[in-house]
Amino acid sequence: AQSVTQLGSHVSVSEGALVLLRCNYSSSVPPYLFWYVQYPNQGLQLLLKYTTGATLVKGINGFEAEFKKSETSFHLTKPSAHMSDAAEYFCAVSAGANNLFFGTGTRLTVIP
Amino acid sequence: DGGITQSPKYLFRKEGQNVTLSCEQNLNHDAMYWYRQDPGQGLRLIYYSQIVNDFQKGDIAEGYSVSREKKESFPLTVTSAQKNPTAFYLCASSIGWGDSTEAFFGQGTRLTVV
Repeated sequence: AQSVTQLGSHVSVSEGALVLLRCNYSSSVPPYLFWYVQYPNQGLQLLLKYTTGATLVKGINGFEAEFKKSETSFHLTKPSAHMSDAAEYFCAVSAGANNLFFGTGTRLTVIP
Repeated sequence: DGGITQSPKYLFRKEGQNVTLSCEQNLNHDAMYWYRQDPGQGLRLIYYSQIVNDFQKGDIAEGYSVSREKKESFPLTVTSAQKNPTAFYLCASSIGWGDSTEAFFGQGTRLTVV
């Protein structure tokens, strides 16, 4: 079975500070991992994904995530937060199924 | 521009009524999905379809129905049997249905029961 846990339903950071959104997964087979962003009343947009190969994945808008098998983690980071980063972020896992299993989301607030 | 179009953006339904949410894609994707989003619960899969004229129940299919008569279209009907239909509904598609294929999402339909 696959599942995703996002630690922290709300995260606040100051503009220019490091963004760290945590995601831990559970999978009985090698996982494929995704981060999506959702702006209010909109659909989800893919930020980045890990399939195989390099464990540090770079995405759009300056975000990146590192796949750590030993820690079953796929945390999302950005060195310097911008006001436009305020949104809800979802981690998802896919492994041997026709489905993406989503976490419950983390709402990021950026303080000016 | 290729993409997924959901309509309407906002929908109001009286109790006991069926309503149909539209989802159209011009990405030539084989697979399509319907998710329901509630605050603090993430996204939950209602139905998915891998190919025309075939679809499968997801985790919360009760009270919903779908059809896939055309590759481009995957409408969702919320029936009167759905006890708590007020939610944000998201349609998605992917080029295939393998593990690493990413899903592309529409802008969503917010359904409110009045």
